[in-house]
Amino acid sequence: GNSVTQMEGPVTLSEEAFLTINCTYTATGYPSLFWYVQYPGEGLQLLLKATKADDKGSNKGFEATYRKETTSFHLEKGSVQVSDSAVYFCALSDQGGATNKLIFGTGTLLAVQP
Amino acid sequence: GAVVSQHPSWVICKSGTSVKIECRSLDFQATTMFWYRQFPKQSLMLMATSNEGSKATYEQGVEKDKFLINHASLTLSTLTVTSAHPEDSSFYICSARVQREGPLSWDGELFFGEGSRLTVL
Repeated sequence: GNSVTQMEGPVTLSEEAFLTINCTYTATGYPSLFWYVQYPGEGLQLLLKATKADDKGSNKGFEATYRKETTSFHLEKGSVQVSDSAVYFCALSDQGGATNKLIFGTGTLLAVQP
Repeated sequence: GAVVSQHPSWVICKSGTSVKIECRSLDFQATTMFWYRQFPKQSLMLMATSNEGSKATYEQGVEKDKFLINHASLTLSTLTVTSAHPEDSSFYICSARVQREGPLSWDGELFFGEGSRLTVL
């Protein structure tokens, strides 16, 4: 079945450091790929998405490119801030399933220190 | 963007009591909502898919008699934790999708509520 694997955390960085959070997926068909972010004490919110191969999603300085050849959707940011501290979830849409549900990775906690 | 609201945001109850959590779509109609449970160390588990006007579809391993889901209107789904026990203590999150017309009726995006923290004593 479809699945998402993302790197385990926590990831601890200093402010202005470069961020990469790896995400790979297994899927049949052509799913859409997402990164959701959960700030402390809040629900999840969409950070960015890509709906087809080679698409690049971007938002708030974060980027991720849908790589079909490597089945990856790694999240990157050139210079992180303390306010980026949160849990990041990679997800894919199970469009082929009866319920059309999202399948999430286990989440990666990012802690940015001043 | 679409807004989903949950209530209550946190609740404390005694063991053996039942607790109801509401999930509302504030500015759109949601024919489908999803209920998740978030465990410590943040893994997110899909519990069930709630469909307006029909029975919920539960994921394997989720007790349907314990976690009652009702989706009586296009803007409201409720999760009732019946006879709650301390092991049911968790963060419960609902989400909804915006159903659009056309060949791509759903682009895969979900809108999440703020979550409800349940503590069973």
